[in-house]
Amino acid sequence: GENVEQHPSTLSVQEGDSAVIKCTYSDSASNYFPWYKQELGKGPQLIIDIRSNVGEKKDQRIAVTLNKTAKHFSLHITETQPEDSAVYFCAASRTGNNDMRFGAGTRLTVKP
Amino acid sequence: DTGVSQNPRHKITKRGQNVTFRCDPISEHNRLYWYRQTLGQGPEFLTYFQNEAQLEKSRLLSDRFSAERPKGSFSTLEIQRTEQGDSAMYLCASSFRTNEKLFFGSGTQLSVL
Repeated sequence: GENVEQHPSTLSVQEGDSAVIKCTYSDSASNYFPWYKQELGKGPQLIIDIRSNVGEKKDQRIAVTLNKTAKHFSLHITETQPEDSAVYFCAASRTGNNDMRFGAGTRLTVKP
Repeated sequence: DTGVSQNPRHKITKRGQNVTFRCDPISEHNRLYWYRQTLGQGPEFLTYFQNEAQLEKSRLLSDRFSAERPKGSFSTLEIQRTEQGDSAMYLCASSFRTNEKLFFGSGTQLSVL
């Protein structure tokens, strides 16, 4: 089955700096890669996703890149703000599979 | 409100007791998922419904766990004879299509004493 690994487990940046979180996956058939943000006491919230037919996607300060050959994808947050502080999860799934696999999460702290 | 709703938000129970959680998905979503999340980990898939049919179960779902989705609307997850290892956040999610965006509820935090 699919295995998703996420790094780093914790990340601390100064407000205004960029943050990068990386994930690798094992199943070459995976074709959908979402990123979720989870704040304390809440469920994960989808912030951006990418499909395998696209190499990069951007939404304001958030971007995701995908390298299918290397089987890794990354989340980039620019101009970080204190409200970006949360736990971020990457995930991977493939068509026909209902079992979306999540990474272990990255706790991002943005210091004002 | 168009989000996924879960009740209760918190549940404290004694070992050996039965508990039941409820999930109301986004109304136009016919796909519903249950996940379990322990501290410091990502959500782990438990089971999946398409309308009222339970189509997939993880090996994590022991015989003490049962899920239903009568009439293809809300779903319940029951845990019988709870154990301390069942303590976790139980998350419900729904989607419009398979392999599509999952929308999660806020979860039910279960503590088994």
